[in-house]
This record gives sequence, structure tokens and C-alpha cells, in this order.
Amino acid sequence: EPEVTQTPSHQVTQMGQEVILRCVPISNHLYFYWYRQILGQKVEFLVSFYNNEISEKSEIFDDQFSVERPDGSNFTLKIRSTKLEDSAMYFCASSHQGGEDEQYFGPGTRLTVT
Amino acid sequence: DAKTTQPPSMDCAEGRAANLPCNHSTISGNEYVYWYRQIHSQGPQYIIHGLKNNETNEMASLIITEDRKSSTLILPHATLRDTAVYYCIVRVVGAGSYQLTFGKGTKLSVIP
Repeated sequence: EPEVTQTPSHQVTQMGQEVILRCVPISNHLYFYWYRQILGQKVEFLVSFYNNEISEKSEIFDDQFSVERPDGSNFTLKIRSTKLEDSAMYFCASSHQGGEDEQYFGPGTRLTVT
Repeated sequence: DAKTTQPPSMDCAEGRAANLPCNHSTISGNEYVYWYRQIHSQGPQYIIHGLKNNETNEMASLIITEDRKSSTLILPHATLRDTAVYYCIVRVVGAGSYQLTFGKGTKLSVIP
């Protein structure tokens, strides 16, 4: 069964450093998403991406964040200058269409900022 | 904030049906009900969704009341691997917004 994959599974970085989280969505999916979950808290939406453009973003997704689909398979989330409060699990998701289609989530990348 | 209300926790005996309730009294006509679950710290897993008709797939059944103000997710024969946090999510379809708004969900514990 096709699945969303994410690398790395765990990333440790120092405050102020740039970090790139990588995702490979399901191959025929057209819509891509990033969510995050701070330890013990709810899963929060960050951004959705379609046709090489951001289609929606939350208040969390400020200028420190960016997303890119650099080739036909990868979808990345970049945090330019990490802060301690960026420590969280980051989940990538994809869906075939928008509309009512379900989103399939990857296993997540645990980001620890020290 | 989440538009749904779920009990914080439930227990279910292994092999029995798990019935997870969700209230969404302010749901509007173009909002679907989705159920996801999260096992430990893994990525959320899609279970099922529906608009107004009851739905069934290989994982679960979704029963939506006629007035659409509440729904129940049914896992017909719960196993220990079904222990997870279950999220009921209401989402508008067709308005250009695709984000899922997660609440705190129901922590289901399946007991041997």
C-alpha cells in the first residue's frame, strides 16, 4: 500500500540554525500539507500546497517557514532560524484531490531544538 | 478551535465493539465528518468520513444522526492495536480550505 515517507525521523539542531524536513508524498497525490504537534498538545495545521503554490497557511506559518516541491517527488519544509519553541513532531500529509479526499499522513520527523 | 466535542477517554474490552461518540451540533450543510486516529506519537491515520449517510469500510462504521448534530464511530471488534487517540473532525468541503482542525480527541484503551 502506498504511503507517505519522511526523513529524517529525528533531527537535532541548535537554535538559530536552518533545518529542512523532507517528505515524499504518495505518488499520484496532488495536494500536500504540513502539520506539527508539540509534545502533549494538539496536531496543528501549518500549510497546504497545490500546483506549486501555497493554497492556505496558518498563523504559525510565518516568514521563518517555507515549503517547496523541488522535484516531482519531494516536498520540503524549511525553518530558517530555529527557535526552542519549534521543537515538535512535524507531519507531512498528502491527498489525491482537494475536496473531500482524505489526507494520508507520514510517520513524522521529531525536531529537537537545543 | 475544534467544532466537535468528544469524551476524553473510554475503555473497551478486547473483541467487543468500541462505540466512540462525537457531538458537532453546529455543523453546517457543506461540512463533512472525518475520523482519524493517532497511535502513540505516530502520524494520524485516516479511518472514515461521511456527509449524512452512514458509511462502512474495512476499518470501521460511521453512524451520523439524521439531524447531523452527532455521530458515532464503531470499531466492530476492537483489538489491542486499536488503542489510540481518536479524533472526530468537521471540515468544510468546497470552500478552498483543506486544513484539518484536530481537537483533543478520545483516548481509547482496549483492555485484554
